[in-house]
Amino acid sequence: IQLTQSPSSLSASVGDRVTITCRASQGISIYLAWYQQKPGKPPNLLIFAASTLQSGVPSRFSGSGSGTEFTLTISSLQPEDFATYYCQQLNSYPYSFGQGTKLEIK
Amino acid sequence: EVQLVESGGGLVQPGGSLRLSCAASGFTFRNYWMSWVRQAPGKGLEWVANIKKDGSEKYYVDSVRGRFTISRDSAKNSTSLQMNNLRAEDTAVYYCAREGPASLNLDSWGQGTLVTVSS
Repeated sequence: IQLTQSPSSLSASVGDRVTITCRASQGISIYLAWYQQKPGKPPNLLIFAASTLQSGVPSRFSGSGSGTEFTLTISSLQPEDFATYYCQQLNSYPYSFGQGTKLEIK
Repeated sequence: EVQLVESGGGLVQPGGSLRLSCAASGFTFRNYWMSWVRQAPGKGLEWVANIKKDGSEKYYVDSVRGRFTISRDSAKNSTSLQMNNLRAEDTAVYYCAREGPASLNLDSWGQGTLVTVSS
């Protein structure tokens, strides 16, 4: 299953609302997770089952979608949110990741 | 606190072998599936393989099937990735990750170990 994220990169300002889209090449129900990765660090789980917020993750992060189209929304960007974001499908093997969306400061 | 610590990375020639290990602590290891994920320099994430709680099922991405073997040792709370016939395109940071309940996510990650395949 191929996952395509859009956009691949994004410039935004602190306080902006940002949405990243992940499209699957076939239906994956809600078996989608979102991760944040900062340079030199491992990924950090944000959202799983498409819309469930991982414990400890700020509520400004939210996820939605099912089937083939999913979104990650950050309601009000904070300085620590500038990072690369990946979606991952865990519906079928081999598990796969999107190519990533790099969120940069405008 | 969940901790995953990878070891075993390094420089290896094309065609060579390397064994990565991941030591787990802070949770009941036998209750979780474990995965390996890699990231080539400057590139995105690629899921590599995983292994069931009891080791009875293993799955691989096509590009490593037949060359890599995942295993686990519940007595030592560890998982390993034996990598044979390595290629330049296997160069990456390799992360060990715990799969969360019902395998809906990878909820804990190690810091990674770098594997460089070069002559």
